[in-house]
Amino acid sequence: EVQLVETGGGLIQPGGSLRLLCAASGFSVSNTSINWVRQAPGRGLEWVSVLESDGNTHYADSLKGRFTISRDNSKNTFYLQMNSLRAEDTAVYYCATGAIVLEYWGHGTLVTVSS
Amino acid sequence: DIQMTQSPSTLSASVGDRVTITCRASQTISRWLAWYQQRPGKAPKLLIYRASFLERGVPSRFSGSGSGTAFTLTISSLQPDDFATYYCQHYDDYPWTFGQGTKVEIK
Repeated sequence: EVQLVETGGGLIQPGGSLRLLCAASGFSVSNTSINWVRQAPGRGLEWVSVLESDGNTHYADSLKGRFTISRDNSKNTFYLQMNSLRAEDTAVYYCATGAIVLEYWGHGTLVTVSS
Repeated sequence: DIQMTQSPSTLSASVGDRVTITCRASQTISRWLAWYQQRPGKAPKLLIYRASFLERGVPSRFSGSGSGTAFTLTISSLQPDDFATYYCQHYDDYPWTFGQGTKVEIK
């Protein structure tokens, strides 16, 4: 059974950094594309980033240069490193994957950027 | 980037109603479109991919159609579990984008 569990969220001051983790089970992260999607409070879904099985990465244009997606095949875990955080980055962050689109989702982890 | 626009933003309906939600892409995306359902406090759930293919386990009252730039999600007979927010999402190329969502409320 495919499972995704996000951790690493919390309260962080503006300008700070945070690393989110997504622990995967039931499949190997080394040969699957992995995505991050976020949702600000009371708002819609926003696609953030993908790490493709071949190692290519893509990001939402608004985030380039601040966020970095990566994975550790030995831990079957992938990550979202978030730097220079702003109030508008406050959101629930979901990791998601699937053979075609986003068939499997984690429960999400809340990131709050506030002083 | 490809922009996705859904209409309406909110829809009030009753159990048993036929409901249609529209999604338009700012440029052609062939049939690279998915639909998701999200209930409050929960992660989204994939309903439909490639515009009209029903994800396994999804009730047959859900259906999708369209190609190019215009797409629809139809619920043939609304059930109590269907009151939720629905999102379209293209996957023609990166960056992927979602529509702004359509909330289906109880009338």
